[in-house]
Amino acid sequence: AQKVTQAQTEISVVEKEDVTLDCVYETRDTTYYLFWYKQPPSGELVFLIRRNSFDEQNEISGRYSWNFQKSTSSFNFTITASQVVDSAVYFCALSAGYGGSQGNLIFGKGTKLSVKP
Amino acid sequence: NAGVTQTPKFRVLKTGQSMTLLCAQDMNHEYMYWYRQDPGMGLRLIHYSVGEGTTAKGEVPDGYNVSRLKKQNFLLGLESAAPSQTSVYFCASSYEGQPNSGLVPETQYFGPGTRLLVL
Repeated sequence: AQKVTQAQTEISVVEKEDVTLDCVYETRDTTYYLFWYKQPPSGELVFLIRRNSFDEQNEISGRYSWNFQKSTSSFNFTITASQVVDSAVYFCALSAGYGGSQGNLIFGKGTKLSVKP
Repeated sequence: NAGVTQTPKFRVLKTGQSMTLLCAQDMNHEYMYWYRQDPGMGLRLIHYSVGEGTTAKGEVPDGYNVSRLKKQNFLLGLESAAPSQTSVYFCASSYEGQPNSGLVPETQYFGPGTRLLVL
C-alpha cells in the first residue's frame, strides 16, 4: 500500500522564523517520485518540486529547501525566513507504480501554515 | 498557453440533478486526472485517463463517470448528484511515457478547481 503522512495539521509561525513541514511516505516500489504542492488561500495548486527515489541530494531554491532521506522515508520541506505570503496549505504527494497506475498521485492531508507579521 | 482550465468555477445542484464538469488542457498532455478535495482529506483521485478514448478508476470513482473523446478534454459527469459529492474538484494533466515502459512520470499541473455544492 502507498501512503503519505503529514502529521502536522496546522503550524503557526511569526514572520522571519524558519519552519519545517514534515512528510513521511510508504511504498514498496523502488522507483517512485515525491512532490510538494502549495495551495494558497486563492485555492489553486502550485507545483513546487519533484524528487525521484534515486536522487537523495537535497535541493535548495531560494528560501525553500527539501531534505529527502530514504532511510527514514521522509521528504521534509523547510522554509527559511518565512514571509506572510508563504501562508498556505502545503501538500506532499507520492507517485509510484507503473502500468495502469503510472503517475497517479497519492496526497497527504496537507499542512496549513500560517505566517503572522 | 492557458494550461489547464475548468468549467464551471462554481455550481449549485439539487440532489438528483446531473451535471458535467469540463477540463481542457492545451499542453498536448497524454494523461489527465480528476481529483476531489474535501476538508482534512487532501486530494483523492476519482478517475484518470492515459490517452484519448481510455479511462480508468481511481480511489473514489463511485457516483462519477468520465469520458475522454478528445486528447485535450476530460469530462467528469455526475448522473445523480448527492450531498456527499459536495466538494472542490480539480483536474490535472501530465505528460507520461508509455505504460509499462518504466519511463519517468512527469509533473501533474492542476486546473483552478470547481466548487460544487449539492443541496
